[in-house]
Amino acid sequence: QVQLVQSGADVKNPGASVKVSCKASGYTFIISYYIHWVRQAPGQGLEWMGWINPNSGMTDYAQKFQGRVTMTRDTSINTAYIELTSLTFDDTAVYYCARARTTTPLFDYWGQGTLVTVSS
Amino acid sequence: QSALTQPASVSGSPGQSITISCTGTSSDVGAYDYVSWYQQHPGKAPKLMIYDVTNRPSGVSNRFSGSKSGNTASLTISGLQAEDEADYYCSSYTSSYTLVFGGGTKLTVL
Repeated sequence: QVQLVQSGADVKNPGASVKVSCKASGYTFIISYYIHWVRQAPGQGLEWMGWINPNSGMTDYAQKFQGRVTMTRDTSINTAYIELTSLTFDDTAVYYCARARTTTPLFDYWGQGTLVTVSS
Repeated sequence: QSALTQPASVSGSPGQSITISCTGTSSDVGAYDYVSWYQQHPGKAPKLMIYDVTNRPSGVSNRFSGSKSGNTASLTISGLQAEDEADYYCSSYTSSYTLVFGGGTKLTVL
């Protein structure tokens, strides 16, 4: 069965960087599916951050995060990553990876979420 | 890209029907039939309920249906059940080749 398993919760200081992983299983990682990243601040709604095409490595980021976010993948271990730099308290959120066939919002499988807390 | 507009909350009694609206612009909801709806229970990841405006994934109850008129998409839940109580989010593709979510709607089953 399809699974997206994310790395565990993390606590970072303001100004630091964080890298969250998303390991895919149950399907061919580099064929037919994009990995998108969506975050949710405590008590708030969902916010789309961008996507990566695991086959080509091509990415597209929401304008809000341009210059601060990098999405990568390691096809040898079927894992996608998101790295966010220059963290502020407003980056405290649950970060989700989600699978979609295209760049449209059809996320059929989601990771369990990774809580990133920015605290001094 | 501004978030799509959803009502903060809706409520209904078991067995009733409710509709949640999702209003965007001619650059997102009105431009494409790429609107999805997600259900999220507390502490859980979102679950896809409707995609491409009207389509239901396998396994999703036919009590859930979607529609669109102009710049507004809608999710209708008929025969409300206690387990439908959750947050619901719409999402749309945009003319900037990005995605945008609605602010979310809390559904309370009375």
